[in-house]
Amino acid sequence: DAGVIQSPRHEVTEMGQEVTLRCKPISGHNSLFWYRQTMMRGLELLIYFNNNVPIDDSGMPEDRFSAKMPNASFSTLKIQPSEPRDSAVYFCASSPTGSNQPQHFGDGTRLSIL
Amino acid sequence: GENVEQHPSTLSVQEGDSAVIKCTYSDSASNYFPWYKQELGKRPQLIIDIRSNVGEKKDQRIAVTLNKTAKHFSLHITETQPEDSAVYFCAALRTALIFGKGTTLSVSS
Repeated sequence: DAGVIQSPRHEVTEMGQEVTLRCKPISGHNSLFWYRQTMMRGLELLIYFNNNVPIDDSGMPEDRFSAKMPNASFSTLKIQPSEPRDSAVYFCASSPTGSNQPQHFGDGTRLSIL
Repeated sequence: GENVEQHPSTLSVQEGDSAVIKCTYSDSASNYFPWYKQELGKRPQLIIDIRSNVGEKKDQRIAVTLNKTAKHFSLHITETQPEDSAVYFCAALRTALIFGKGTTLSVSS
């Protein structure tokens, strides 16, 4: 079974540049989640989608962050313009529709903004 | 919104000992409580979960208990092994998972 697939695995870019992170959820999973992980703040939920519709984006730190899910098999998280404090590991996770369902994580994108 | 507190932040045990990690949550409507294990540089992986209609669940050396009245749940690992060394996260779900800050477990042989 293919798990949640994220790309790229690593991204190093200079501040001010646009960054796009990509995620393909597990087939048949209708809920998709974006998390950010740092040493200081741990695992933070940024935004989640149900059936491609954004449900809660209250975790998105600033207007520089945006996320889309144009179809059931693809989502993007974009940062524009990027700043050094955005450096973190960004995880995507998916789960079947409905409450009480386990979330499965991708391998993450390690983002470094210089 | 939901808030999850996790203790301790670090835990060191000898191989063969038991390890217990505790979490509390704030939203009484939360109804699903998973535990994840994260090894260095890897993704969090679900190791066990419990739903609000169950008080205890066990899977080999791992068990989780839930006290809904007190709003706390715990992870118990028995007969620890060096490969159990990792960061463990608890989480609580109402509409979305909210994670604790993690416990770094070190098992020395």
